[in-house]
Amino acid sequence: AQSVSQHNHHVILSEAASLELGCNYSYGGTVNLFWYVQYPGQHLQLLLKYFSGDPLVKGIKGFEAEFIKSKFSFNLRKPSVQWSDTAEYFCAVTNSGYSTLTFGKGTMLLVSP
Amino acid sequence: DTEVTQTPKHLVMGMTNKKSLKCEQHMGHRAMYWYKQKAKKPPELMFVYSYEKLSINESVPSRFSPECPNSSLLNLHLHALQPEDSALYLCASSPLGGGRAGNEQFFGPGTRLTVL
Repeated sequence: AQSVSQHNHHVILSEAASLELGCNYSYGGTVNLFWYVQYPGQHLQLLLKYFSGDPLVKGIKGFEAEFIKSKFSFNLRKPSVQWSDTAEYFCAVTNSGYSTLTFGKGTMLLVSP
Repeated sequence: DTEVTQTPKHLVMGMTNKKSLKCEQHMGHRAMYWYKQKAKKPPELMFVYSYEKLSINESVPSRFSPECPNSSLLNLHLHALQPEDSALYLCASSPLGGGRAGNEQFFGPGTRLTVL
């Protein structure tokens, strides 16, 4: 079965620090990859997605992610975080032939002002 | 219309009550999903409907009963729930077809359910 690993369960950063959240998946075939964000008390929002093409994907709010097929990874990055980026971040994967999402356990990001 | 709507936003119910959650989308999507999310955990898939037919039931207890009356609507009927069923219930939809983009899921805001 497909699995998704997010290496950091909690990350604490100061404002303006750079961010990288790790995500690795287990499936060796063609995948679709997603990062979702959930602000405190709010619903899931799509940050960015990768289906094919340029492995460097840009999303909303200055986030980007890089798909590295050889490493089964899809790490999320942001050059300079803001206090408003405090949220839970979920990596998710679907196999290209199916629509069911497999989520990682999430990473809680706390940005101190 | 590019959103998934869910009603109600909040629901408090007793263990003997019967209630329903409603989800609606008008994007022409042909797959709809119910997820359960506990605090600080990822969403857990409960049910999937494809082309208005139940295609996946992730061994969900029968006190949860899904219904898909048409391609735009998805209901979740609740009966005799337990306090541990308290959670955020998320609905999602995806287009299907159209290649890999058909797999992208669009999430609603959720219904926060409390069972007393």
